[in-house]
Amino acid sequence: DTGVSQDPRHKITKRGQNVTFRCDPISEHNRLYWYRQTLGQGPEFLTYFQNEAQLEKSRLLSDRFSAERPKGSFSTLEIQRTEQGDSAMYLCASSLVSPSRGTGELFFGEGSRLTVL
Amino acid sequence: SQQGEEDPQALSIQEGENATMNCSYKTSINNLQWYRQNSGRGLVHLILIRSNEREKHSGRLRVTLDTSKKSSSLLITASRAADTASYFCATDERDTGRRALTFGSGTRLQVQP
Repeated sequence: DTGVSQDPRHKITKRGQNVTFRCDPISEHNRLYWYRQTLGQGPEFLTYFQNEAQLEKSRLLSDRFSAERPKGSFSTLEIQRTEQGDSAMYLCASSLVSPSRGTGELFFGEGSRLTVL
Repeated sequence: SQQGEEDPQALSIQEGENATMNCSYKTSINNLQWYRQNSGRGLVHLILIRSNEREKHSGRLRVTLDTSKKSSSLLITASRAADTASYFCATDERDTGRRALTFGSGTRLQVQP
């Protein structure tokens, strides 16, 4: 399977614990995005990487959230001291971007669903 | 923040009927895209329309774009039960410098067999 993969698919944790999600993008893609989606809503942008550089972070990404993409390959999203409001689906997407084409099609993973008790 | 607003929020039709969903957005765009999401799954890209295009077709899908009204519509013809899903529009904003898509809140489509 050469699509975007996310792990774990489901995570249940207690408030105050740290959680980490991993995303493996499509190998030739240079951009990687993290979105958050709550029930009945559309995905909300969190952050994105161009290769290994984190180029933009949403104001939604509080200081409890950190994302990395070492060596421009896989990415991790860590949430420290989780709160009940962090319960959501965390979606990763990747794309191949050229300067002239703007933001084209995003390829999404199946998401990591977080439940904070 | 979510730029696009889809209308209606929910739509229920019979198999064979056409489904029309609308999207309005606020800023200038490079392109507008439509995605589909089955319950509990990731999003799947359906179609992309550039700001200088007015209409685009892909199989049973027809997308229109009116940049003067900052709106788009997605038409699914001859719907099937398998079309049951949530549909989202997403915009590639031109003037904000953002290089990520901004999604709307979605239309939940139910196609009754």
